[in-house]
Amino acid sequence: AQTVTQSQPEMSVQEAETVTLSCTYDTSENNYYLFWYKQPPSRQMILVIRQEAYKQQNATENRFSVNFQKAAKSFSLKISDSQLGDTAMYFCAFMNPISSGSARQLTFGSGTQLTVLP
Amino acid sequence: SAVISQKPSRDICQRGTSLTIQCQVDSQVTMMFWYRQQPGQSLTLIATANQGSEATYESGFVIDKFPISRPNLTFSTLTVSNMSPEDSSIYLCSVRGTLVSYNEQFFGPGTRLTVL
Repeated sequence: AQTVTQSQPEMSVQEAETVTLSCTYDTSENNYYLFWYKQPPSRQMILVIRQEAYKQQNATENRFSVNFQKAAKSFSLKISDSQLGDTAMYFCAFMNPISSGSARQLTFGSGTQLTVLP
Repeated sequence: SAVISQKPSRDICQRGTSLTIQCQVDSQVTMMFWYRQQPGQSLTLIATANQGSEATYESGFVIDKFPISRPNLTFSTLTVSNMSPEDSSIYLCSVRGTLVSYNEQFFGPGTRLTVL
């Protein structure tokens, strides 16, 4: 079974600064997907960025980028030019799209609460 | 991305009663899921809603407590039966497999349930 670990329960960053959230995972699979979700106080889960394991290039979405290290099984999220609206719980998630049954489900980390300070 | 709505958005219920939560998607999707999230915690998968057949439940969740229906590719319901205060939580509907993106998973806004 896959596991996802987020070792930083809470983090804070000054507005306009850059912050990196860490995520590690454990799997024996070679093909899989990794995601970062954001959940603000409104509790709406928002997909921030995704990475396919077969792609060497790190995914980027505007101010959000990832550092994907497949050999180290690491998938960190970098937020540049942090904004107050980035304050949220951030969840790292893993999915094996090929397997059947419960192995195809999305496995979440425990989350990192990020606070952007004015 | 898929647009997902849930009803109700929140409710306060008495012990021993049941509540049915509805999930509506604006487009046909392959897979629909129901999650539970305790405040400040991560998400726990309750079950996968299967169209036209019984839902597939995860360990610790049973059909008698959480009956699920999925009559078509855009709609599902989750019922929380014979509620107790321990059922107080946020319940989220989630979908995967849209025409645009097969492997991305999207979430509804959640239903905040409080059981007295």
